[in-house]
Amino acid sequence: TQLLEQSPQFLSIQEGENLTVYCNSSSVFSSLQWYRQEPGEGPVLLVTVVTGGEVKKLKRLTFQFGDARKDSSLHITAAQPGDTGLYLCSGAGSYQLTFGKGTKLSVIP
Amino acid sequence: DADVTQTPRNRITKTGKRIMLECSQTKGHDRMYWYRQDPGLGLRLIYYSFDVKDINKGEISDGYSVSRQAQAKFSLSLESAIPNQTALYFCATSDLWGNNEQFFGPGTRLTVL
Repeated sequence: TQLLEQSPQFLSIQEGENLTVYCNSSSVFSSLQWYRQEPGEGPVLLVTVVTGGEVKKLKRLTFQFGDARKDSSLHITAAQPGDTGLYLCSGAGSYQLTFGKGTKLSVIP
Repeated sequence: DADVTQTPRNRITKTGKRIMLECSQTKGHDRMYWYRQDPGLGLRLIYYSFDVKDINKGEISDGYSVSRQAQAKFSLSLESAIPNQTALYFCATSDLWGNNEQFFGPGTRLTVL
C-alpha cells in the first residue's frame, strides 16, 4: 500500500506570511497532484508534477516534486485569507490515486 | 453548469434504511470514482469504474454497492445504512489519458442516525 504523509496537519498564520507544506512517501509515484478543498465543496485540482525535480508556479504558489519522485512541497508566498482551505496531495499509481490526509491552512486577516 | 453533480447534497437517514447517492458528469470522462471523507482519515476510495462494464472495489467497499448506468452516471448505494457510514461522500471523474487528475463533485453530506 502506498502511503502519503502530509505535514503539518494544521497551520494557522497571519496574512502576508510565507509557508511551506510537505507531502512525503516511501513510494515512487509516476506523478503527484495537489488539490485545495474549501468547506462544503469538493477538492479542486491545483497542479500536477511529473518529472523529478520539477518546479511549477501558480501565482503565489510554488510546487516542487522531489528528485526521486517520492515527495513534494507547496510553498505559498505572502499568504492571503483566500488561501484558507484544506490542501491535499495525491500520488498517481497505475489506476488510482493515493491521497494524503491533508494540511488545514487558516490565514488570519 | 457544474461538470460533476451529486444528488442529494445533504441526507439524514436512519439505521437500516437503503440509501442511493447519484453522480452525473458532463466531462465525457470514462473513469468514475466514489470516495468518502472523514475527519482525520482523509479521502478513501470506495469503488471505481473505468467504463460502463467495469466495476472495481476500492479500499473500503464493504457495506456499499455501485451501479454504472451510463458513461455519465455512477450511483452509490448503502443497502442497510449504519451510523459509522456517516461521512462526506464525493464522486470524481478522470480521463483515460493524462496523469489521472481527478475532478470532484460538490459532495453529499450523509448522516445516519
